[in-house]
Amino acid sequence: NAGVMQNPRHLVRRRGQEARLRCSPMKGHSHVYWYRQLPEEGLKFMVYLQKENIIDESGMPKERFSAEFPKEGPSILRIQQVVRGDSAAYFCASSPPASSGNTIYFGEGSWLTVV
Amino acid sequence: GQNIDQPTEMTATEGAIVQINCTYQTSGFNGLFWYQQHAGEAPTFLSYNVLDGLEEKGRFSSFLSRSKGYSYLLLKELQMKDSASYLCAVRDGAGNKLTFGGGTRVLVKP
Repeated sequence: NAGVMQNPRHLVRRRGQEARLRCSPMKGHSHVYWYRQLPEEGLKFMVYLQKENIIDESGMPKERFSAEFPKEGPSILRIQQVVRGDSAAYFCASSPPASSGNTIYFGEGSWLTVV
Repeated sequence: GQNIDQPTEMTATEGAIVQINCTYQTSGFNGLFWYQQHAGEAPTFLSYNVLDGLEEKGRFSSFLSRSKGYSYLLLKELQMKDSASYLCAVRDGAGNKLTFGGGTRVLVKP
């Protein structure tokens, strides 16, 4: 039973380029969450999605960042025109449909380095 | 809003016990989670509390007091591999996202 799958694991981008991070939730999970972790800091919530819907994007920066979770395929976190400050680990997590009492599991993370 | 506090760092000796405290002030509450995170790796689930009391799982135990907005994670018989960050997280009242504290870095010394 595969866990939460993220790719790429490591990504290097030059300033101004675009970064696309993909996340496939665990089988049977329809809720996806994206978190960002800056070096030596805690996990910060970015966005919560269900299939074809953004439920809560209160943690997303207003510009350059977007997320989607289409009916088919993985969830994608897209960062346009990357800057050095975007360098971080981006973790995806998923949970089953019933919200109460269910654990949220994390993927291995995608480490973005902007040079 | 959510405010979750835990100590930044703790040091303990191999074989000893360490207790990591977490206090929270949240607009809603639907469970408290503890995760372990080794440097450069993903957080891994340790425990979940939604009712008051102690949950024991092997060498790890977690306690919750909802009235006090307080939890602790107890690590017994510490091993060198337990050196990691331990993250306290609260699920909001809507039962959706987790809000994390800054994490407690535990260093186990021989």
